[in-house]
Amino acid sequence: EAGVAQSPRYKIIEKRQSVAFWCNPISGHATLYWYQQILGQGPKLLIQFQNNGVVDDSQLPKDRFSAERLKGVDSTLKIQPAKLEDSAVYLCASSLNFYPGQVQETQYFGPGTRLLVL
Amino acid sequence: GEDVEQSLFLSVREGDSSVINCTYTDSSSTYLYWYKQEPGAGLQLLTYIFSNMDMKQDQRLTVLLNKKDKHLSLRIADTQTGDSAIYFCAESGDDKIIFGKGTRLHILP
Repeated sequence: EAGVAQSPRYKIIEKRQSVAFWCNPISGHATLYWYQQILGQGPKLLIQFQNNGVVDDSQLPKDRFSAERLKGVDSTLKIQPAKLEDSAVYLCASSLNFYPGQVQETQYFGPGTRLLVL
Repeated sequence: GEDVEQSLFLSVREGDSSVINCTYTDSSSTYLYWYKQEPGAGLQLLTYIFSNMDMKQDQRLTVLLNKKDKHLSLRIADTQTGDSAIYFCAESGDDKIIFGKGTRLHILP
C-alpha cells in the first residue's frame, strides 16, 4: 500500500513570495490533515479535512494560508505572502475517517515539505 | 488547554534500554501514541495505547501508562543505532491529536 505522498520535498523562497504544497493521501482515507512543524517542536495542526469539507481550521493563519481539497482526495496548502517565521516542515497526514466526538483513527504521515523563507 | 511535555534529549549506550517519558494534561485522552521521526522524514507511528490499559508490549517496545499521574513512557529494549531519532508522544481525546516537542534519542557506541 502506497503511503502519503507530498511534493516538493524542499522549497526555498524569499519573504513575500507565494508557495504551494501538494499532498496525496493514502487511497481510501477520507480525512486529511496539514501540520506545521517548526524546528525543535512537535507538529501543530493547521487544518483538517473530512472528504472535501473543513473540520478544523482554527489554527490556520487565514490572512496568508489557504488550503483546499476540492475532490476529496489530494490537497494543496498555499502561503501568500510568506514570512520568515513560516520556515518549517509542512507535514500532511491521512486517516481512514473522522467521527466527531469519538476516538481518533490512526494518522499516517507523509515525508513532509521543508520550507525555508529567506 | 491540553499540553504534552517531554524531556528534549536522551543518550543511551547501544544495547542498553532506553526509557522516554511523557506527561499530558488532558484527562479525557482516549488514545496515547508514540511516533518516531528520523532525519528528513515524516512521523512514523510506533505504537499506541488505549487509556483504559496500563501496559502494551510490542517486540522491543513497551508502553507504560499511569493514568492517575497522566504519565506515559516508552521503553526500547536492546537499543540499536537505528533507533536514533526523535520520539514524539501524542494524545487524543475527541477531536485532535496534540503532540509533545519530541525527545531526541542519541545512541552512544
